[in-house]
Amino acid sequence: NAGVTQTPKFQVLKTGQSMTLQCAQDMNHNSMYWYRQDPGMGLRLIYYSASEGTTDKGEVPNGYNVSRLNKREFSLRLESAAPSQTSVYFCASTGVRGKNQPQHFGDGTRLSIL
Amino acid sequence: GNSVTQMEGPVTLSEEAFLTINCTYTATGYPSLFWYVQYPGEGLQLLLKATKADDKGSNKGFEATYRKETTSFHLEKGSVQVSDSAVYFCALSDGGSNYKLTFGKGTLLTVNP
Repeated sequence: NAGVTQTPKFQVLKTGQSMTLQCAQDMNHNSMYWYRQDPGMGLRLIYYSASEGTTDKGEVPNGYNVSRLNKREFSLRLESAAPSQTSVYFCASTGVRGKNQPQHFGDGTRLSIL
Repeated sequence: GNSVTQMEGPVTLSEEAFLTINCTYTATGYPSLFWYVQYPGEGLQLLLKATKADDKGSNKGFEATYRKETTSFHLEKGSVQVSDSAVYFCALSDGGSNYKLTFGKGTLLTVNP
């Protein structure tokens, strides 16, 4: 019962370094999402992919890029990390498209940028 | 645009106390409403949902009723346990083209024995 798997769980970067956060789901879901969680801010949508082959910007896309590699995998890339990107990142997915369908979340990647 | 406002807390209760976490929303159309729970070090888990006016969602002793007239979806539990200590998020989906969720800022609940 893996659900949504995120790697790595923790990462420390230096300013200017790049890295890719990986996300994979095994529920055959069409839509996938990347959020960041900051204290007092709730969850904010970075990018999403409504279906394989499509990606769209969310609320806070600046400084990030995404790739929907296939139906299972949706990665988030920081090209040049900045301290303001220190956050907890969550990947989520949902199956049948409809407003009644909840999203399923991974356990998060805790990213610190020094 | 859509928005969700929930009481910010933190909320600290003794075991067996009654819990209410207020949530109000602004949305176009007829959104679906959700409560998610996040235990320490974990991701968000769906706690309950309601998809139309006057629906009551319930799970694990928690309840919330979709009140369209007051645009509210308050979370309640009659008797909290230490294991309920977590962050609770209210969220909505308005059925827009990609079914995105709009979240409140979260409410930290601590239950003391």
